[in-house]
Amino acid sequence: IAGITQAPTSQILAAGRRMTLRCTQDMRHNAMYWYRQDLGLGLRLIHYSNTAGTTGKGEVPDGYSVSRANTDDFPLTLASAVPSQTSVYFCASSDSAANSYNEQFFGPGTRLTVL
Amino acid sequence: GQNIDQPTEMTATEGAIVQINCTYQTSGFNGLFWYQQHAGEAPTFLSYNVLDGLEEKGRFSSFLSRSKGYSYLLLKELQMKDSASYLCAAMDSNYQLIWGAGTKLIIKP
Repeated sequence: IAGITQAPTSQILAAGRRMTLRCTQDMRHNAMYWYRQDLGLGLRLIHYSNTAGTTGKGEVPDGYSVSRANTDDFPLTLASAVPSQTSVYFCASSDSAANSYNEQFFGPGTRLTVL
Repeated sequence: GQNIDQPTEMTATEGAIVQINCTYQTSGFNGLFWYQQHAGEAPTFLSYNVLDGLEEKGRFSSFLSRSKGYSYLLLKELQMKDSASYLCAAMDSNYQLIWGAGTKLIIKP
Protein backbone atom coordinates (compact mmCIF):
# COMPACT_ATOMS: atom_id res chain seq x y z
CA ILE A 1 0.00 0.00 0.00
CA ALA A 2 1.30 3.46 -0.80
CA GLY A 3 -0.51 6.42 0.71
CA ILE A 4 -4.18 6.18 1.48
CA THR A 5 -6.67 3.69 0.06
CA GLN A 6 -10.45 3.43 0.14
CA ALA A 7 -12.86 0.61 -0.56
CA PRO A 8 -15.12 0.09 -2.31
CA THR A 9 -14.52 2.36 -5.30
CA SER A 10 -18.24 2.62 -5.87
CA GLN A 11 -21.40 1.10 -4.45
CA ILE A 12 -25.12 1.13 -5.11
CA LEU A 13 -27.06 0.55 -1.93
CA ALA A 14 -30.73 0.10 -1.09
CA ALA A 15 -32.16 2.57 1.40
CA GLY A 16 -32.22 1.19 4.92
CA ARG A 17 -29.15 -0.99 4.45
CA ARG A 18 -26.05 -0.72 6.60
CA MET A 19 -22.77 0.09 4.85
CA THR A 20 -19.16 0.52 5.95
CA LEU A 21 -16.69 2.46 3.85
CA ARG A 22 -13.12 1.46 4.51
CA CYS A 23 -10.06 3.71 4.68
CA THR A 24 -6.47 2.69 5.32
CA GLN A 25 -3.28 4.76 5.33
CA ASP A 26 0.31 3.63 5.61
CA MET A 27 1.93 7.00 6.30
CA ARG A 28 1.61 6.69 10.08
CA HIS A 29 -0.39 9.89 10.14
CA ASN A 30 -2.02 10.78 13.42
CA ALA A 31 -5.09 12.57 12.06
CA MET A 32 -7.74 11.17 9.72
CA TYR A 33 -10.89 12.65 8.24
CA TRP A 34 -14.03 11.71 6.36
CA TYR A 35 -15.56 14.19 3.91
CA ARG A 36 -18.46 14.08 1.54
CA GLN A 37 -18.43 16.01 -1.71
CA ASP A 38 -21.65 17.01 -3.45
CA LEU A 39 -22.06 18.97 -6.65
CA GLY A 40 -22.02 22.71 -6.03
CA LEU A 41 -20.90 22.33 -2.43
CA GLY A 42 -17.49 22.32 -0.84
CA LEU A 43 -16.08 19.30 0.89
CA ARG A 44 -17.97 18.84 4.14
CA LEU A 45 -16.38 17.19 7.15
CA ILE A 46 -18.37 14.26 8.54
CA HIS A 47 -16.11 12.95 11.31
CA TYR A 48 -12.47 13.20 12.20
CA SER A 49 -9.92 11.57 14.44
CA ASN A 50 -6.93 13.47 15.84
CA THR A 51 -5.22 10.30 17.01
CA ALA A 52 -5.91 6.60 17.42
CA GLY A 53 -8.60 5.98 20.01
CA THR A 54 -10.30 9.38 19.63
CA THR A 55 -12.96 10.65 17.24
CA GLY A 56 -14.92 13.86 16.80
CA LYS A 57 -17.94 15.15 14.93
CA GLY A 58 -17.60 17.41 11.93
CA GLU A 59 -20.08 19.61 10.15
CA VAL A 60 -22.46 16.86 8.97
CA PRO A 61 -22.19 13.85 11.31
CA ASP A 62 -25.83 12.72 11.48
CA GLY A 63 -26.42 9.23 10.12
CA TYR A 64 -22.71 8.35 10.21
CA SER A 65 -20.39 6.79 12.76
CA VAL A 66 -16.64 6.15 12.84
CA SER A 67 -14.09 4.27 14.89
CA ARG A 68 -10.31 4.53 15.18
CA ALA A 69 -9.02 1.37 16.75
CA ASN A 70 -5.50 1.85 15.37
CA THR A 71 -3.41 4.42 13.50
CA ASP A 72 -3.95 3.01 10.02
CA ASP A 73 -7.70 2.38 9.73
CA PHE A 74 -10.66 4.74 9.90
CA PRO A 75 -13.91 3.11 8.75
CA LEU A 76 -17.09 5.11 8.18
CA THR A 77 -20.42 3.39 8.81
CA LEU A 78 -23.86 4.35 7.58
CA ALA A 79 -26.22 2.59 9.99
CA SER A 80 -29.32 2.88 7.81
CA ALA A 81 -28.63 4.52 4.47
CA VAL A 82 -30.95 7.20 3.05
CA PRO A 83 -30.99 8.70 -0.48
CA SER A 84 -29.59 12.03 0.80
CA GLN A 85 -26.38 10.16 1.63
CA THR A 86 -25.74 9.67 -2.08
CA SER A 87 -22.38 11.38 -2.54
CA VAL A 88 -18.68 10.92 -3.16
CA TYR A 89 -16.89 10.15 0.08
CA PHE A 90 -13.23 11.03 0.59
CA CYS A 91 -11.01 9.87 3.38
CA ALA A 92 -7.98 12.00 4.19
CA SER A 93 -5.08 11.98 6.60
CA SER A 94 -2.52 14.42 7.93
CA ASP A 95 0.56 14.13 10.07
CA SER A 96 -0.87 16.18 12.91
CA ALA A 97 -4.26 17.70 13.60
CA ALA A 98 -3.16 20.61 15.78
CA ASN A 99 -0.70 22.08 13.36
CA SER A 100 -1.35 25.02 11.11
CA TYR A 101 0.69 23.54 8.28
CA ASN A 102 -1.56 20.56 8.00
CA GLU A 103 -1.49 19.24 4.45
CA GLN A 104 -4.16 16.62 4.05
CA PHE A 105 -3.63 13.66 1.76
CA PHE A 106 -6.75 12.25 0.15
CA GLY A 107 -7.79 8.77 -0.82
CA PRO A 108 -9.29 8.11 -4.27
CA GLY A 109 -12.87 8.35 -3.02
CA THR A 110 -15.93 6.11 -2.85
CA ARG A 111 -18.91 6.93 -5.02
CA LEU A 112 -22.03 5.87 -3.11
CA THR A 113 -25.54 5.80 -4.52
CA VAL A 114 -28.47 5.12 -2.20
CA LEU A 115 -31.70 4.17 -3.93
CA GLY B 1 -20.74 31.77 10.37
CA GLN B 2 -17.85 30.38 8.40
CA ASN B 3 -17.83 30.86 4.66
CA ILE B 4 -15.58 30.54 1.63
CA ASP B 5 -16.45 32.20 -1.68
CA GLN B 6 -14.84 31.51 -5.03
CA PRO B 7 -16.13 31.73 -8.60
CA THR B 8 -17.94 28.68 -9.90
CA GLU B 9 -16.26 28.52 -13.28
CA MET B 10 -13.56 30.30 -15.29
CA THR B 11 -12.30 29.91 -18.84
CA ALA B 12 -8.80 30.71 -20.07
CA THR B 13 -6.62 30.10 -23.10
CA GLU B 14 -3.65 27.77 -23.28
CA GLY B 15 -0.42 29.68 -22.61
CA ALA B 16 -2.18 32.53 -20.83
CA ILE B 17 -2.36 33.54 -17.16
CA VAL B 18 -5.41 33.14 -14.91
CA GLN B 19 -6.14 34.34 -11.38
CA ILE B 20 -8.65 32.51 -9.21
CA ASN B 21 -9.91 34.55 -6.27
CA CYS B 22 -11.11 33.36 -2.89
CA THR B 23 -12.58 35.25 0.06
CA TYR B 24 -13.01 33.69 3.45
CA GLN B 25 -14.65 34.22 6.82
CA THR B 26 -13.67 31.84 9.58
CA SER B 27 -13.65 31.62 13.36
CA GLY B 28 -9.96 32.19 13.82
CA PHE B 29 -7.44 31.61 11.08
CA ASN B 30 -4.55 29.20 10.77
CA GLY B 31 -3.78 29.38 7.08
CA LEU B 32 -5.18 29.18 3.56
CA PHE B 33 -4.82 26.14 1.34
CA TRP B 34 -5.29 25.59 -2.38
CA TYR B 35 -5.95 22.15 -3.78
CA GLN B 36 -6.33 20.92 -7.36
CA GLN B 37 -8.93 18.33 -8.24
CA HIS B 38 -9.19 16.73 -11.67
CA ALA B 39 -12.59 15.34 -12.59
CA GLY B 40 -13.25 12.02 -10.90
CA GLU B 41 -10.08 12.20 -8.83
CA ALA B 42 -9.04 13.16 -5.31
CA PRO B 43 -7.93 16.67 -4.36
CA THR B 44 -4.17 17.19 -4.28
CA PHE B 45 -2.31 19.89 -2.36
CA LEU B 46 -0.99 22.92 -4.26
CA SER B 47 -0.11 25.63 -1.76
CA TYR B 48 -0.33 26.97 1.77
CA ASN B 49 -0.20 30.60 2.97
CA VAL B 50 -0.34 31.78 6.55
CA LEU B 51 1.51 35.10 6.25
CA ASP B 52 0.56 37.98 3.98
CA GLY B 53 2.22 37.96 0.62
CA LEU B 54 2.98 35.88 -2.39
CA GLU B 55 4.28 32.32 -2.42
CA GLU B 56 5.66 31.14 -5.74
CA LYS B 57 6.03 27.52 -6.77
CA GLY B 58 6.89 27.06 -10.42
CA ARG B 59 3.98 28.06 -12.65
CA PHE B 60 1.68 28.41 -9.65
CA SER B 61 1.66 31.26 -7.12
CA SER B 62 -0.65 31.94 -4.20
CA PHE B 63 -1.29 35.24 -2.45
CA LEU B 64 -2.81 36.01 0.93
CA SER B 65 -4.13 39.16 2.58
CA ARG B 66 -5.25 38.35 6.12
CA SER B 67 -6.67 41.81 6.76
CA LYS B 68 -8.94 41.50 3.72
CA GLY B 69 -9.79 37.81 4.15
CA TYR B 70 -8.64 37.28 0.59
CA SER B 71 -6.45 34.93 -1.38
CA TYR B 72 -5.79 34.19 -5.00
CA LEU B 73 -4.16 31.42 -6.98
CA LEU B 74 -2.24 32.52 -10.06
CA LEU B 75 -1.54 30.03 -12.81
CA LYS B 76 0.94 31.01 -15.53
CA GLU B 77 1.70 29.48 -18.92
CA LEU B 78 -1.50 27.52 -18.82
CA GLN B 79 -1.45 23.98 -20.13
CA MET B 80 -4.36 21.78 -21.10
CA LYS B 81 -3.61 19.54 -18.12
CA ASP B 82 -4.42 22.49 -15.82
CA SER B 83 -8.09 21.98 -16.64
CA ALA B 84 -9.43 21.01 -13.21
CA SER B 85 -11.29 22.37 -10.23
CA TYR B 86 -9.33 24.49 -7.79
CA LEU B 87 -10.45 24.32 -4.17
CA CYS B 88 -9.79 27.07 -1.65
CA ALA B 89 -9.84 26.06 2.03
CA ALA B 90 -9.25 28.11 5.18
CA MET B 91 -8.15 26.56 8.45
CA ASP B 92 -10.11 27.77 11.46
CA SER B 93 -9.11 28.10 15.11
CA ASN B 94 -9.81 24.37 15.68
CA TYR B 95 -7.42 23.45 12.84
CA GLN B 96 -10.35 22.26 10.73
CA LEU B 97 -10.48 23.10 7.04
CA ILE B 98 -13.47 25.05 5.74
CA TRP B 99 -13.79 24.40 2.01
CA GLY B 100 -15.08 26.46 -0.86
CA ALA B 101 -17.20 24.79 -3.54
CA GLY B 102 -14.32 24.99 -6.01
CA THR B 103 -13.65 26.84 -9.23
CA LYS B 104 -13.84 24.79 -12.39
CA LEU B 105 -11.13 26.02 -14.76
CA ILE B 106 -11.63 25.31 -18.46
CA ILE B 107 -8.59 25.71 -20.70
CA LYS B 108 -9.20 26.29 -24.40
CA PRO B 109 -6.56 25.77 -27.09
